[in-house]
Amino acid sequence: AQTVTQSQPEMSVQEAETVTLSCTYDTSESDYYLFWYKQPPSRQMILVIRQEAYKQQNATENRFSVNFQKAAKSFSLKISDSQLGDAAMYFCAYRSAKEELGRTYKYIFGTGTRLKVLA
Amino acid sequence: NAGVMQNPRHLVRRRGQEARLRCSPMKGHSHVYWYRQLPEEGLKFMVYLQKENIIDESGMPKERFSAEFPKEGPSILRIQQVVRGDSAAYFCASSIGYNEQFFGPGTRLTVL
Repeated sequence: AQTVTQSQPEMSVQEAETVTLSCTYDTSESDYYLFWYKQPPSRQMILVIRQEAYKQQNATENRFSVNFQKAAKSFSLKISDSQLGDAAMYFCAYRSAKEELGRTYKYIFGTGTRLKVLA
Repeated sequence: NAGVMQNPRHLVRRRGQEARLRCSPMKGHSHVYWYRQLPEEGLKFMVYLQKENIIDESGMPKERFSAEFPKEGPSILRIQQVVRGDSAAYFCASSIGYNEQFFGPGTRLTVL
């Protein structure tokens, strides 16, 4: 069974600085997707960034980028030029990509990292 | 194009009552997933449905919980005889086929 581990319950960053959130996962599959979601106090799950495992190039979305190390099963999120609005819970998630009739493409989430942004 | 809709957003029930949570998927989406988020935890998969069929309910508690996704209307997650431990945020997500899931805003259930 696949697992996702976020070992940092809480992180703090100074406004305008850079912070990296860690995520490791375990799977025997070779084809999958990895996600970072942001959950502000409203509890809405907001997709931050997505990575396909078959792509070697790290995904980027404006100030957000990932460091995807497939062999190490590591998927960290880097937030550059941190802003007060970045303060939230961040969840790493895994989803199988293997297409198979009747398969469940459930997301497997880590326990989250609470990011605080200091003014 | 409206996103995934869930209602109510907040639901308060007394122990022993029933809770009904509704999820309207995005237009054209026929796959629905329900997840539960206990306080200070990540989301955990509960059940996966396609129209009129439960495909995978391996994450559902064996008793008191049921889900449906009828041909017409929203998907319903039903919790009978609620207990304090059922207090959580319940999220619905929908997808077109086996593609990316889009999450609703969640329903926060409080059991008194």
